[in-house]
Amino acid sequence: GAGVSQTPSNKVTEKGKYVELRCDPISGHTALYWYRQSLGQGPEFLIYFQGTGAADDSGLPNDRFFAVRPEGSVSTLKIQRTERGDSAVYLCASSLVTSGTDTQYFGPGTRLTVL
Amino acid sequence: AQKVTQAQTEISVVEKEDVTLDCVYETRDTTYYLFWYKQPPSGELVFLIRRNSFDEQNEISGRYSWNFQKSTSSFNFTITASQVVDSAVYFCALSPTSSSNTGKLIFGQGTTLQVKP
Repeated sequence: GAGVSQTPSNKVTEKGKYVELRCDPISGHTALYWYRQSLGQGPEFLIYFQGTGAADDSGLPNDRFFAVRPEGSVSTLKIQRTERGDSAVYLCASSLVTSGTDTQYFGPGTRLTVL
Repeated sequence: AQKVTQAQTEISVVEKEDVTLDCVYETRDTTYYLFWYKQPPSGELVFLIRRNSFDEQNEISGRYSWNFQKSTSSFNFTITASQVVDSAVYFCALSPTSSSNTGKLIFGQGTTLQVKP
């Protein structure tokens, strides 16, 4: 079946602009995660959704970052007033159920470059 | 603190050599899961294995094997007879399962493996 998909694959924007990154999880997966991966680092957790609600947003770096999942499937990560430090690969993952026991499957990521 | 340490930043081997990637973790949770993911140059993280903290049996899958030792908080990954296609960045990750955890993964810094022909 289809895996996790993310669009766009690359996004170049200017400092101060607003961007939206989209994630389409594996069909039937209830849990959805966003991570951010800076160059040469491991992915870092941003936010987790169980269904439509953000159950844990403790990883969001500041209030410029926001994410939604209105129908419990597709999620959008929104970044306002982008800064050069926001440049990274944004990864989305989904898992069948919620818990630390289930395997997360990752999408290909969106590479965000803020000029 | 919850933490994963992959002390080896880069490893370079010649094809057909065996190679072991180290992973040491820290957690106060008594129940947790450990994972290994592979990130080839294409960038997508590929799941390799999941192991729960109650199962200390070593696991072998083809040329891959994993050694979990709770006593030393280590979950090492060995590739036997390495191949050029094994070249990638490998991440070890921890998922504590306490009630406050939501399944988020805590990743190590990754080990870049280069297999030369």
